[in-house]
Amino acid sequence: GAVVSQHPSRVICKSGTSVKIECRSLDFQATTMFWYRQFPKQSLMLMATSNEGSKATYEQGVEKDKFLINHASLTLSTLTVTSAHPEDSSFYICSARGPGSLAYEQYFGPGTRLTVT
Amino acid sequence: AQTVTQSQPEMSVQEAETVTLSCTYDTSESDYYLFWYKQPPSRQMILVIRQEAYKQQNATENRFSVNFQKAAKSFSLKISDSQLGDAAMYFCAYTTPLVFGKGTRLSVIA
Repeated sequence: GAVVSQHPSRVICKSGTSVKIECRSLDFQATTMFWYRQFPKQSLMLMATSNEGSKATYEQGVEKDKFLINHASLTLSTLTVTSAHPEDSSFYICSARGPGSLAYEQYFGPGTRLTVT
Repeated sequence: AQTVTQSQPEMSVQEAETVTLSCTYDTSESDYYLFWYKQPPSRQMILVIRQEAYKQQNATENRFSVNFQKAAKSFSLKISDSQLGDAAMYFCAYTTPLVFGKGTRLSVIA
């Protein structure tokens, strides 16, 4: 149980375009989802926290107008990188907080590698 | 803000031997959770072990165990009988939303 999927696993886009990454909790309802960014050989940095039906809360230094997060249902959150530039190239990982007694634990998607050319 | 520090960027261990990865954290909370995650080359985050701060007993999961020292805010991971498949990045993390340390790259030597 507690499976999180991400789509796509890899995406290449041209500079100036937008790209959307989907994160789904497959077998549980995730009231809270998190988006992380990981540069090569570095740790995961929390970008934002989203609660179903509410606006996302962004970490300091994360541009909310560039990284649009929508958590429209209990099983789906999306991250849209708008007007992408090469410096946005990174590995993006979503995570969902478990329900009820599992609420202290986060389950991770497999990640999306974004390359902006 | 909570911080997590892993002071060992890289570690290596001989197959079948034991290795300990260090982690310290800073928090003003009294109740929280601590985790160790493994990230293999696939980059999928895998939960290795978790510790609830209100439990004094150290958590164990098969070959993995922790030494949790709440007063010292220390949370080390011990891997016994190391296997080649244990080679990966290991991240220490604090509660939710998870705050991660910088990670320790573990190599296992055959």
